[in-house]
Amino acid sequence: DAGITQSPRHKVTETGTPVTLRCHQTENHRYMYWYRQDPGHGLRLIHYSYGVKDTDKGEVSDGYSVSRSKTEDFLLTLESATSSQTSVYFCAISGGGRGFFNYGYTFGSGTRLTVV
Amino acid sequence: GQQLNQSPQSMFIQEGEDVSMNCTSSSIFNTWLWYKQDPGEGPVLLIALYKAGELTSNGRLTAQFGITRKDSFLNISASIPSDVGIYFCAGQLGTGNQFYFGTGTSLTVIP
Repeated sequence: DAGITQSPRHKVTETGTPVTLRCHQTENHRYMYWYRQDPGHGLRLIHYSYGVKDTDKGEVSDGYSVSRSKTEDFLLTLESATSSQTSVYFCAISGGGRGFFNYGYTFGSGTRLTVV
Repeated sequence: GQQLNQSPQSMFIQEGEDVSMNCTSSSIFNTWLWYKQDPGEGPVLLIALYKAGELTSNGRLTAQFGITRKDSFLNISASIPSDVGIYFCAGQLGTGNQFYFGTGTSLTVIP
């Protein structure tokens, strides 16, 4: 009943390798987001999507790319992973519009990525 | 990016005590949200606030949208062990669907 799932949950990769994280939703929500969470920084937006093939950059987009070919899937790619990209990555979805259950975000459970 | 300052950064309280935390910004926000994050999980929405001065409750939680629209407050009454976690505020600028998050307040409840 998750509505939003992230895969993998954990990953260790080597510096310089490409990495792709997947976010899958079953809510048919228009908006999808990728955040990273680091101690002392809270949650920072990497990229977001407002529809199929429609994406835009967030405040920490350098080194990341995204793709959304279907409503339900939003992929985050680290083209060449660096140690500074070690973090916990969260996907979120939103239906947009006001109202407690439409607004704000529903978050996935996160992907813990370690770049060694 | 926008800076949302949450305070305190961490709190250690006895079970049964009330808790207050706040979130401030130099920018004016149109919407404030409060989230709670349990260890190993994503944040979960607790309360949403849509206009200045608004006071909204969700069980033992009460949040307020500051009059200046630059701050918000969250209170938890009669804390219990399951209140442990990190609490985040999030604010929306303009009418876009993007929210900016605070750095979080870590709450520990001592039984």
